[in-house]
Amino acid sequence: GQQLNQSPQSMFTQEGEDVSMNCTSSSIFNTWLWYKQDPGEGPVLLIALYKAGELTSNGRLTAQFGITRKDSFLNISASIPSDVGIYFCAGQREYGNKLVFGAGTILRVKS
Amino acid sequence: EAGVVQSPRYKIIEKKQPVAFWCNPISGHNTLYWYLQNLGQGPELLIRYENEEAVDDSQLPKDRFSAERLKGVDSTLKIQPAELGDSAVYLCASSLGRLSTDTQYFGPGTRLTVL
Repeated sequence: GQQLNQSPQSMFTQEGEDVSMNCTSSSIFNTWLWYKQDPGEGPVLLIALYKAGELTSNGRLTAQFGITRKDSFLNISASIPSDVGIYFCAGQREYGNKLVFGAGTILRVKS
Repeated sequence: EAGVVQSPRYKIIEKKQPVAFWCNPISGHNTLYWYLQNLGQGPELLIRYENEEAVDDSQLPKDRFSAERLKGVDSTLKIQPAELGDSAVYLCASSLGRLSTDTQYFGPGTRLTVL
């Protein structure tokens, strides 16, 4: 089936540093989404991207919808301890609402 | 506004036993989803409901899994009999509709351990 490849698998950063992660696919998606999941909770939507080339920010988070529609990037600026968690990308086709998730990027922040 | 409610939060059973999970979506949300999340993986869709109709159950292992959404509100997911490989987190999500712009809101999940 469709698969999304997320990288890095995990990362460890110093508080105040910027971090970047990305998601790639062999298939085209019309929507890219970024979720964050804290331990014991369900994923929470951070940013939704609906158009190729779109760049969207949500506070310190910025995400981009790749021009090829096969990738997306998430940047977190000036990381803080509460940014710790697992970040998932998800792709969605236009028809219906089925989400295909990546395996996640584990972020750890050292204060 | 209350979010998606799931119960129980944790369940431990022995293999071959039945188990059921319950989900109450956000009020007014017509679309309900059940996802399976294995350790170290992202969620995978099991079944999607539009009101009371299951419109995508292609990933649901129908030999042992069943689901229902009577009256188009809350939903139950059942496994009978459970196997060791069913140990995972079962997430429920809901959205207003099925458009790509309809945000899916997830519940906290039920963590199932099969011994």
